[in-house]
Amino acid sequence: ETGVTQTPRHLVMGMTNKKSLKCEQHLGHNAMYWYKQSAKKPLELMFVYNFKEQTENNSVPSRFSPECPNSSHLFLHLHTLQPEDSALYLCASSQGQGSSDTQYFGPGTRLTVL
Amino acid sequence: AQTVTQSQPEMSVQEAETVTLSCTYDTSESDYYLFWYKQPPSRQMILVIRQEAYKQQNATENRFSVNFQKAAKSFSLKISDSQLGDAAMYFCAYRIDAGGTSYGKLTFGQGTILTVHP
Repeated sequence: ETGVTQTPRHLVMGMTNKKSLKCEQHLGHNAMYWYKQSAKKPLELMFVYNFKEQTENNSVPSRFSPECPNSSHLFLHLHTLQPEDSALYLCASSQGQGSSDTQYFGPGTRLTVL
Repeated sequence: AQTVTQSQPEMSVQEAETVTLSCTYDTSESDYYLFWYKQPPSRQMILVIRQEAYKQQNATENRFSVNFQKAAKSFSLKISDSQLGDAAMYFCAYRIDAGGTSYGKLTFGQGTILTVHP
């Protein structure tokens, strides 16, 4: 596979469930990102990892827990979510260095919280 | 704080014609990057074009070009010879030029839905 992949593409979960979103990049990048895309709102940056270190947590509630075991993989662990957390969750990656750094996105996971 | 505004929630164009999508931004920085991303109904966000603020020349990628007006903080996207495959949500985005370790935040606009009529 090439580019940035995300699994699952769709996820339905109850408020008491625990689930994880997975992102994998095949671009040799060093930085990875989680974004939340809600209807009629701009994309919101959630987390940034650069060289496996978390460098940004954009005031995200603790029910979202990111994990970056290596530069190619990024997870978002979900627990006790709320219905308002239903959204499209996008992963992106970039070189993570250089002023011309450009982010490339995965297809997203459509999350529905019941 | 930086903000990006796309004032056109929806736009439409006839196939083979030209359409321009608007974007304005607010920043106190002098060095930054601007991007247009396209998100088709399949949801994969695709980079369309990128503009470095220090470059006066407008970026061009095939049928896509930008009109970058730094003083006015305007960054519009022109799509020439529109094709059915151009139908998508288009996002304008801004990123500060953080220099050697640039993994900075992208700030996105609200998006413009482009419909292409055959």
